[in-house]
Amino acid sequence: NAGVTQTPKFQVLKTGQSMTLQCAQDMNHEYMSWYRQDPGMGLRLIHYSVGAGITDQGEVPNGYNVSRSTTEDFPLRLLSAAPSQTSVYFCASSYLGTELDTQYFGPGTRLTVL
Amino acid sequence: AQSVAQPEDQVNVAEGNPLTVKCTYSVSGNPYLFWYVQYPNRGLQFLLKYITGDNLVKGSYGFEAEFNKSQTSFHLKKPSALVSDSALYFCAVRVRGATNKLIFGTGTLLAVQP
Repeated sequence: NAGVTQTPKFQVLKTGQSMTLQCAQDMNHEYMSWYRQDPGMGLRLIHYSVGAGITDQGEVPNGYNVSRSTTEDFPLRLLSAAPSQTSVYFCASSYLGTELDTQYFGPGTRLTVL
Repeated sequence: AQSVAQPEDQVNVAEGNPLTVKCTYSVSGNPYLFWYVQYPNRGLQFLLKYITGDNLVKGSYGFEAEFNKSQTSFHLKKPSALVSDSALYFCAVRVRGATNKLIFGTGTLLAVQP
């Protein structure tokens, strides 16, 4: 199993540009989520999904869109990048349920918006 | 509001000494509690979790954590620190009955000196 994969690893954007961060998992997990990590703030939830066709907002959803057309993929879209979106982005996935809900994280995407 | 607190930004310990990384939480209801570790330029790795039962939970790499309901704490411990344990440690909580959403603390940097 590859686990949770993310592409790209690094990205530099100019203000106003758009891009999609890719996330895929091969563990057949129902739950997938996106976090951003900023110094001194821990990880904050952006969006999450409990299955194909179902998404919901997390703590900091503004400026980001998601979709979940398959169980495996959960892309994060920035429609018009802003410097405040400079961060490290992590995708995570897990089974739904109590005993099996340990989330597994991808390696991250480091995004800089100029 | 639900929250997780890691009161120490950094913990310094000498190799071979015991270590403790502190975590307290504030949630409604009974929580699931997690510890993750992040090595430089890597994603988060799962260490251990508390669901129910024995208050002392054993996890990966010789780490353990003690759940204390009365003090709403879940401190991470290791009897003998290694230089290779140097990393950023995150405590996280999920509320029972809620979707798999995790609330993270701000992280504690553990520095183990040789």
